[in-house]
Order: sequence, then C-alpha cells, then structure tokens
Amino acid sequence: DAKTTQPNSMESNEEEPVHLPCNHSTISGTDYIHWYRQLPSQGPEYVIHGLTSNVNNRMASLAIAEDRKSSTLILHRATLRDAAVYYCIPYDSGTYKYIFGTGTRLKVLA
Amino acid sequence: DADVTQTPRNRITKTGKRIMLECSQTKGHDRMYWYRQDPGLGLQLIYYSFDVKDINKGEISDGYSVSRQAQAKFSLSLESAIPNQTALYFCATSDTRALQFFGPGTRLTVL
Repeated sequence: DAKTTQPNSMESNEEEPVHLPCNHSTISGTDYIHWYRQLPSQGPEYVIHGLTSNVNNRMASLAIAEDRKSSTLILHRATLRDAAVYYCIPYDSGTYKYIFGTGTRLKVLA
Repeated sequence: DADVTQTPRNRITKTGKRIMLECSQTKGHDRMYWYRQDPGLGLQLIYYSFDVKDINKGEISDGYSVSRQAQAKFSLSLESAIPNQTALYFCATSDTRALQFFGPGTRLTVL
C-alpha cells in the first residue's frame, strides 16, 4: 500500500490561497490521488482527484508533480468553512481500497 | 434525505454486549465500506463489500463481523464489545469512479 506524508497542521488567513502538500513517493503508476476533507463532527467528503495532469473543480485545484511522488491541494480563497482535516489518499485500483493517513488539520484565521 | 444513513448515531453500551450498527444507502452503489476512526487519527478500514455475495476483511477486522443484507444495506456487528472499540464508525459507498460517499457516523462508547 502506498504511504503518504502530510503536515500535521497548517494555518491560513481568510480569503488567502492555501497550498496543502502531500508526499506519496511509493505510489504505483495506476493509483489515482484522491483528496477528501473532514469537517468537525462529520464524515469525510470528496474534494478532488487526479492521475497525472493537474485538475480543477469548483472546490479546489490539484497540482500533481511530474514524477507523481507528490501533489498539492490548492484552495484559492480559504474561508472559515474550509477549516477541516484534509486527507491525501492514493487510491489502490488493484484492491479498491483507500488508505487514510492522519491528514492535515487546516485552521483558517478570520 | 441523506444518501448514506447510519443508525444509531450514538450508542453507549457495556463490555460484553452484542452491538449492531446499520448502514443504508440510496445511491445504488455496489461497493460499501465500514471504517473506524479513533480520536485524532485517520480512518481505518474494517470490512468492505463489492456486492451482496462479496465480503472482504480490511486492516482491523478482528472483533467485528458484517452482513450485506441487500445492495442498499451493510451492517457491522461487534459480537462482544470491549472498551478499546470505543470510536467513531463510518459507513461509505463507492461509485464506479471510486469516489466514496460517507455517512454521518456512529459514535460508540463501550464502558
């Protein structure tokens, strides 16, 4: 199973961009990189995913390194509602399993 | 209405009791999962099911069992609850793109 390394916590000011890094040096060539976030007292929710090229959606952008050993989740303008734990998860397409790490706790300052 | 529902939402029980946590989904997904989350940690996979006849153990299946009664229902049982099974339990479903949709969680306390 691929392992991930994320900072335990990060802080951002409201309405500023946030870059959340993730190292996944053991990822296999066919594993997608998924990002989920968990708001307080809720189940995780999907944010974005990608394989090789950068991805954008209404919530965030995902920048994937060319060697695929790292990726960065970008929140373009952080709001107080973005305060959550963000998980970077290589999805194992062989076993259909997600392996959650401990994630990055994002604190957004007003 | 929520796509993935879990019952009960909170449960306090005693050591040695049998407990069943239930999960229902209206998304029509074949794949369903049970996870456990301890305070300050990520989710650990307990069991997962790709269809009614397919059940697989996850990372931490000891002390747990599951039943997939129908495509829409996946139950988790603790045959004899112990205090270190006190945790938050999440059910999830997955679509063909492998995106997962989580329920609201069940907070279980074993005294």
